[in-house]
Amino acid sequence: DIQMTQSPSTLSASVGDRVTITCRASQSMPGWLAWYQQKPGKAPKLLIYKASSLESGVPSRFSGSGSGTEFTLTISSLQPDDFATYYCQQYNTYPITFGQGTKLEIK
Amino acid sequence: EVHLVESGGGLVQPGGSLRLSCAASGFTFSDHYMDWVRLAPGKGLQWIARIAHKPNIYTTQYAASVRGRFTISRDDSKQSLYLQMNNLKTEDTAVYFCVRSATEYHFDFWGQGTLVTVAS
Repeated sequence: DIQMTQSPSTLSASVGDRVTITCRASQSMPGWLAWYQQKPGKAPKLLIYKASSLESGVPSRFSGSGSGTEFTLTISSLQPDDFATYYCQQYNTYPITFGQGTKLEIK
Repeated sequence: EVHLVESGGGLVQPGGSLRLSCAASGFTFSDHYMDWVRLAPGKGLQWIARIAHKPNIYTTQYAASVRGRFTISRDDSKQSLYLQMNNLKTEDTAVYFCVRSATEYHFDFWGQGTLVTVAS
């Protein structure tokens, strides 16, 4: 199985900050990696797929990059609506696996 | 507009069974792979099962933790996805999401989820 490890697990930031979340895969993989945002009691929302492709309707302040074993999600200028939990996911091989999540909190 | 609506969750005793359903609308259901993902209390997202579309002969894949106990199925004529869960364990307690896979196999639409509680 490909293990996905996100860092940090919790991130405190302020509106307007630039933040980066890292996702490391236990083995090198092609860029079949996605990022999701989840708020309490809500369904996850797709943000990024294929490591760097922005899903339609997602604000351009979200971006993804990376290859091999290290991938990042960057939010260029935090907005109040962005405080949530973020998950990376690899869908290159079965079983499909998620990172443990990064909770983005208001400082 | 794509809609996925899960139903069938509830309270069940350990060792019991439950069948979840997902009603899909707003897209051509038969064109897509479909998945189930769960979120247990205090934990992260866990993928548990996938079923391919007809061109790929409805091939199924499972997470190790549910293989042999859970069965994913679909009825394209009813635009519906199912998850039969047998021999349920307390660790299966979670919100279960029905998820559509995009043509490139990431998860592009999620239902709101249905809560399954396994407890005596």
